[in-house]
Amino acid sequence: SQQGEEDPQALSIQEGENATMNCSYKTSINNLQWYRQNSGRGLVHLILIRSNEREKHSGRLRVTLDTSKKSSSLLITASRAADTASYFCATVYGGANSKLTFGKGITLSVRP
Amino acid sequence: GAVVSQHPSRVICKSGTSVKIECRSLDFQATTMFWYRQFPKQSLMLMATSNEGSKATYEQGVEKDKFLINHASLTLSTLTVTSAHPEDSSFYICSAREPGLGSWEQYFGPGTRLTVT
Repeated sequence: SQQGEEDPQALSIQEGENATMNCSYKTSINNLQWYRQNSGRGLVHLILIRSNEREKHSGRLRVTLDTSKKSSSLLITASRAADTASYFCATVYGGANSKLTFGKGITLSVRP
Repeated sequence: GAVVSQHPSRVICKSGTSVKIECRSLDFQATTMFWYRQFPKQSLMLMATSNEGSKATYEQGVEKDKFLINHASLTLSTLTVTSAHPEDSSFYICSAREPGLGSWEQYFGPGTRLTVT
């Protein structure tokens, strides 16, 4: 069963604006990861945040994790048209070969 | 980062035939690969975990006799959809995890679009 639930399911913003996407999950986790998928393509790993971390940055990306609320957010600052894609959060619980459990995804459209 | 390839990128087959999809890790050895299925505008559903040299572990509800997985080497896993039906039409994606302490990142292939007519 799917673990993560992203919110909103679809987001449309103007280029230059910030995009915030939220993810909630149900069980304990080792880490939470965000992936991006362009239409009809595979997934690209964006960022990983461990359960003992609260915030992480990578370029224009900022991820937060609140384990007490079982939620995470992905912020993309100064969005670009090229950021248009689907974004998925995925959680991992268990050992090194544990599987990723994906949320339903958020479709982000950035208007030029 | 590590690269995973899939072949073919898209395939059309007739109902009742079998189709094989290959997943290769190009610049690293992957003891574990994962096979996912994705329907339009939906999330990825894990089908099975492929382990080199041993039997795959299938998720609940996935027919192991229909979706045959072979992980014969550290760089190649194959998924064979046997006796394909139109409802098997989907986007199949594989991923591989680079082994190493604390390595959690999965590298995904570009996917294979299967259409069964």
